[in-house]
Amino acid sequence: DTEVTQTPKHLVMGMTNKKSLKCEQHMGHRAMYWYKQKAKKPPELMFVYSYEKLSINESVPSRFSPECPNSSLLNLHLHALQPEDSALYLCASSQPGQGAEAFFGQGTRLTVV
Amino acid sequence: AQSVTQLDSHVSVSEGTPVLLRCNYSSSYSPSLFWYVQHPNKGLQLLLKYTSAATLVKGINGFEAEFKKSETSFHLTKPSAHMSDAAEYFCVVSSLGGNNRLAFGKGNQVVVIP
Repeated sequence: DTEVTQTPKHLVMGMTNKKSLKCEQHMGHRAMYWYKQKAKKPPELMFVYSYEKLSINESVPSRFSPECPNSSLLNLHLHALQPEDSALYLCASSQPGQGAEAFFGQGTRLTVV
Repeated sequence: AQSVTQLDSHVSVSEGTPVLLRCNYSSSYSPSLFWYVQHPNKGLQLLLKYTSAATLVKGINGFEAEFKKSETSFHLTKPSAHMSDAAEYFCVVSSLGGNNRLAFGKGNQVVVIP
């Protein structure tokens, strides 16, 4: 199984809502990532978990809260988002360290209204 | 520090003609290099990777890339474009000391003309 599964595929939420994005992989990867991608732009790194511990937080606003409950699951909790947070949110996983390719999920298309 | 430069943000090719996407990188250490493809509203799919083995790397769907250390380049080529190759292509670098951080180029939007 070489898949990274993200749910939901699409999400529309109001600025006062709380929602969560979910990501799952069963490849035994111990590094997992959240990226944000705006239209016509490359993905921007948000968070990295390595061995279930947060290793990189790219100065992301606190309205985004990541969680890694175990080595297969990664969540992104959303609260009080702004319209400019509308984007494609991509999850990825890899083995930790240089040279290991990252496997990406299909993404969650988030629209904040 | 590591970075990637992809020139030609938009590339138009006729079906059946060669594709060339250029990538130059900067890295303080020996890099690992990747090319990913992204079709509209989809995730990224790995085309090929270089990790200090053979400098000519063959990937999926007929793509290949050559690592040239002297030119700090990792250009992507395909002999004959197919309509299904229309997509966004990203060159990505990973370096020792990068703490699992990938550096993405800005991407090439490839249009295939019938």
